[in-house]
Amino acid sequence: DGGITQSPKYLFRKEGQNVTLSCEQNLNHDAMYWYRQDPGQGLRLIYYSQIVNDFQKGDIAEGYSVSREKKESFPLTVTSAQKNPTAFYLCASRISPQGLGGYTFGSGTRLTVV
Amino acid sequence: KQEVTQIPAALSVPEGENLVLNCSFTDSAIYNLQWFRQDPGKGLTSLLLIQSSQREQTSGRLNASLDKSSGRSTLYIAASQPGDSATYLCAVMILTGGGNKLTFGTGTQLKVEL
Repeated sequence: DGGITQSPKYLFRKEGQNVTLSCEQNLNHDAMYWYRQDPGQGLRLIYYSQIVNDFQKGDIAEGYSVSREKKESFPLTVTSAQKNPTAFYLCASRISPQGLGGYTFGSGTRLTVV
Repeated sequence: KQEVTQIPAALSVPEGENLVLNCSFTDSAIYNLQWFRQDPGKGLTSLLLIQSSQREQTSGRLNASLDKSSGRSTLYIAASQPGDSATYLCAVMILTGGGNKLTFGTGTQLKVEL
């Protein structure tokens, strides 16, 4: 079955450490997105990519970095510059940046700073 | 700036009741609207996608309507069941120069009791 796989499900980060969250899709979708979810807030866009080797900052990109070397993969790195990284991170994809299709989401990664 | 509001924030109903969840948005120039379901600690599952030119979409016991001019959408759940207990999120998409942007509401937490 086609879908989006996020790993790991749970991740613990020490202060000052960089961590990378994985997102892989086999839907042949061009566009991929990273969102952050905090209690009581709507999902907020971190980064998005419309095509391989291209990505743009979303609303809260500071302290995060991404790469899009393959169509199927869009990993998110949470750097030590992100002061409040504890949150639930969701990866999504869409068949194309434009067009009529909706979004498909992965199952999420919960990141906790210890 | 697009803002999405969902009312009520939480709802508890007895099994079998029909219910309506509300979503309002401030900028009516949307491309489409998508309703999602989120179970605790899980990712988002797409329920219904309504294009801006459509008035409603139906899937099983779910019916979503869209009134773009008034900035409102409703999700109607018929004959609710305990398995419907989850958080329901609506999200509106607008087209931007950089592709598209999805703005989420903060959700309605639904509990269906036996």
